[in-house]
Amino acid sequence: DVKVTQSSRYLVKRTGEKVFLECVQDMDHENMFWYRQDPGLGLRLIYFSYDVKMKEKGDIPEGYSVSREKKERFSLILESASTNQTSMYLCASQFIPDTQYFGPGTRLTVL
Amino acid sequence: AQSVTQPDIHITVSEGASLELRCNYSYGATPYLFWYVQSPGQGLQLLLKYFSGDTLVQGIKGFEAEFKRSQSSFNLRKPSVHWSDAAEYFCAVVTGTASKLTFGTGTRLQVTL
Repeated sequence: DVKVTQSSRYLVKRTGEKVFLECVQDMDHENMFWYRQDPGLGLRLIYFSYDVKMKEKGDIPEGYSVSREKKERFSLILESASTNQTSMYLCASQFIPDTQYFGPGTRLTVL
Repeated sequence: AQSVTQPDIHITVSEGASLELRCNYSYGATPYLFWYVQSPGQGLQLLLKYFSGDTLVQGIKGFEAEFKRSQSSFNLRKPSVHWSDAAEYFCAVVTGTASKLTFGTGTRLQVTL
């Protein structure tokens, strides 16, 4: 069975903190994605990666960075968390050009 | 630019009633289309997908969807809704060579007993 795991289900951080969200997939997929989900806005793509050390900006990359040092792991980094980054963060992986498989999500609250 | 429209933000149906969730897309080429479901506090689960071939696609949990090129639509249907179907439903289209997904804003389904 396909498995995408995310490091935390719930996270509370303070403004200005550096935040790491980790995602691991066990399917040897090339593509991995980070989305944020907000009510009424659906899912918006932050960054994606199509190979180790390769990344591309999505629709809303400002305030975020990513790291992919190993094929199975894709990290989202908030360099200096702000309250407007309070959201649900979803990771997905994909074997091109087929289905994206999603993790359970991390609900991040920035105080 | 590619886009996906789900015109219904919130739908309420009675258990046992039929269901149709609407999805319209804007995309120049032949689209790859998906429906995902999200239960409260969970990630997204694939219900079904259309890549090519038969325009009526069967999915899990008794759902089906029909691709209509002339109407740029990919509506999701279920003949008899169960209380456990209460969730949020997202339509999505693959865009670009990197197989990125563009999502609709979602339809929240409430099921009354």
